[in-house]
Amino acid sequence: GAGVSQSPSNKVTEKGKDVELRCDPISGHTALYWYRQSLGQGLEFLIYFQGNSAPDKSGLPSDRFSAERTGGSVSTLTIQRTQQEDSAVYLCASSLTTIPNYGYTFGSGTRLTVV
Amino acid sequence: QKEVEQNSGPLSVPEGAIASLNCTYSDRGSQSFFWYRQYSGKSPELIMSIYSNGDKEDGRFTAQLNKASQYVSLLIRDSQPSDSATYLCAVNSDDYKLSFGAGTTVTVRA
Repeated sequence: GAGVSQSPSNKVTEKGKDVELRCDPISGHTALYWYRQSLGQGLEFLIYFQGNSAPDKSGLPSDRFSAERTGGSVSTLTIQRTQQEDSAVYLCASSLTTIPNYGYTFGSGTRLTVV
Repeated sequence: QKEVEQNSGPLSVPEGAIASLNCTYSDRGSQSFFWYRQYSGKSPELIMSIYSNGDKEDGRFTAQLNKASQYVSLLIRDSQPSDSATYLCAVNSDDYKLSFGAGTTVTVRA
């Protein structure tokens, strides 16, 4: 597609429920990233995918968080047993090369609210 | 921990003035540097990249890099109300991730 597409744009969920966030990167971009931005905070790295290589999961805050990328394209970030501290904007980004010399292109984000 | 620090702001400038944003980074091996603009409620948008020491100009924006001082800055000349946003500094070291600063919020007064 022309840009990075994320869905849903907004998600309100009850504490303890599971949620799935979807990201469709720019066609041809081999690298895909998930970041989280809490209110008034900077961007927190969560996970990175590059082609068929094992993902870098070093930023996932707990084992309630997981992500997968199918066929080197669409990615899903899953949060199990959501907590109020999970409320944030979840941003997906993609880049053309392994080393982001061209920077990332971000999607519009999913605003998650856990009540 | 690769840290990126920015002026906390907010920075308020009159229309037509120069807005100066500063960023320092901790990893001396950092190679690529980026400035993103983020309007309220929107996602970050890449506006400048710089890789070599010195200045890089693009329209009203100038990025400045000094690797010896581990310092990168962004100047916005002839500031316009449409420049009111949060500006994020991002740094790439020897791997594939960008580390982001917390951002500086700029308000341009008409």
